[in-house]
Amino acid sequence: SQQGEEDPQALSIQEGENATMNCSYKTSINNLQWYRQNSGRGLVHLILIRSNEREKHSGRLRVTLDTSKKSSSLLITASRAADTASYFCATDPSGGSYIPTFGRGTSLIVHP
Amino acid sequence: DARVTQTPRHKVTEMGQEVTMRCQPILGHNTVFWYRQTMMQGLELLAYFRNRAPLDDSGMPKDRFSAEMPDATLATLKIQPSEPRDSAVYFCASGLITSQPQHFGDGTRLSIL
Repeated sequence: SQQGEEDPQALSIQEGENATMNCSYKTSINNLQWYRQNSGRGLVHLILIRSNEREKHSGRLRVTLDTSKKSSSLLITASRAADTASYFCATDPSGGSYIPTFGRGTSLIVHP
Repeated sequence: DARVTQTPRHKVTEMGQEVTMRCQPILGHNTVFWYRQTMMQGLELLAYFRNRAPLDDSGMPKDRFSAEMPDATLATLKIQPSEPRDSAVYFCASGLITSQPQHFGDGTRLSIL
């Protein structure tokens, strides 16, 4: 079964708006990663947040992690048409498996 | 920019045929993953290698799928015989250690008729 589940499944916004995607997971983790996938391409790593971190920034991306709620959010500020892609969270379960497990993704469309 | 290279990018073949997909991981990366992506199942891990040794292939149908790393610069995923339900996009990814970011290739889009 998949560890991380993204919500919503699809999101449609206008350029300039902020986009927020959420990821929920079931078991304890070492870290959580967010990836982007453009149509017809492989996944590209965006940001990694460790279990002892609560917030991390990278450019227009802001990721939060709430281990008590077993959830994370990815905020893209001032979105651009080029941000149109699917976004995935991957959780690295603690306990020794060390294999990141991907969710099904959020499909983001940013209208120009 | 170092990249993971997958070949072929597209493959269309008839059921029953053997399919071989190849992956060149990033030089120096010691972990290699094979994933399958479909609309229904999302991204499924099929197998992964560390230092060329297979560590987990529990996600792979053993009767028809096989994964190998003949050397550090080449990973292969074979399907024999192929079936229409194998139609999917197959991704290879490499990394330094399994818990760290993975670098994905652009996939092989496989269609089995």
